[in-house]
Amino acid sequence: NAGVMQNPRHLVRRRGQEARLRCSPMKGHSHVYWYRQLPEEGLKFMVYLQKENIIDESGMPKERFSAEFPKEGPSILRIQQVVRGDSAAYFCASSSQGAPLHFGNGTRLTVT
Amino acid sequence: QKEVEQNSGPLSVPEGAIASLNCTYSDRGSQSFFWYRQYSGKSPELIMFIYSNGDKEDGRFTAQLNKASQYVSLLIRDSQPSDSATYLCAVNPDAGNNRKLIWGLGTSLAVNP
Repeated sequence: NAGVMQNPRHLVRRRGQEARLRCSPMKGHSHVYWYRQLPEEGLKFMVYLQKENIIDESGMPKERFSAEFPKEGPSILRIQQVVRGDSAAYFCASSSQGAPLHFGNGTRLTVT
Repeated sequence: QKEVEQNSGPLSVPEGAIASLNCTYSDRGSQSFFWYRQYSGKSPELIMFIYSNGDKEDGRFTAQLNKASQYVSLLIRDSQPSDSATYLCAVNPDAGNNRKLIWGLGTSLAVNP
């Protein structure tokens, strides 16, 4: 049973470019969560999605960040016009209703 | 503001000893509690979860929950060098809704051979 799959593992973008992070949840999981983790900081909730719906985006910056989980295909976290402060590890997690979260291996975004 | 507190460590124990990791939380109504292990540069990995007061054992790991005192702990018996990692405590104040998880900053554990 494949786990949560994230790609790319590492992503380098210049300031002003777009970053697109992908996440395929575990088989049977319909709930997807995106977290950001900065060095020496804890996991910060960004957004929670179910298929075709954003349920809670209270942790996501209002500008430049967006997320989707289409009917077909992976969930996408999109960061437009990246800045150096966006450099972080971005983790996707999935679960079934009420069950513990399972995390993917993360995408390490570096903005130069 | 709801908080989860962990001693950042590092906690250093010799191989074969019991490692005891503690976590306190502020929301008395919290429903479920999780321990994750995170190796440097890797993703968090679920170790244990516990919903009811008392102890829950899984192999070398035991989670202990005391809702009256608002703390949850993780005991690792017969610690191995491979247990060296950061252990994250997460608390869910909402029984059916994982997006409310509140995370501690983690305790760094070093098991010395």
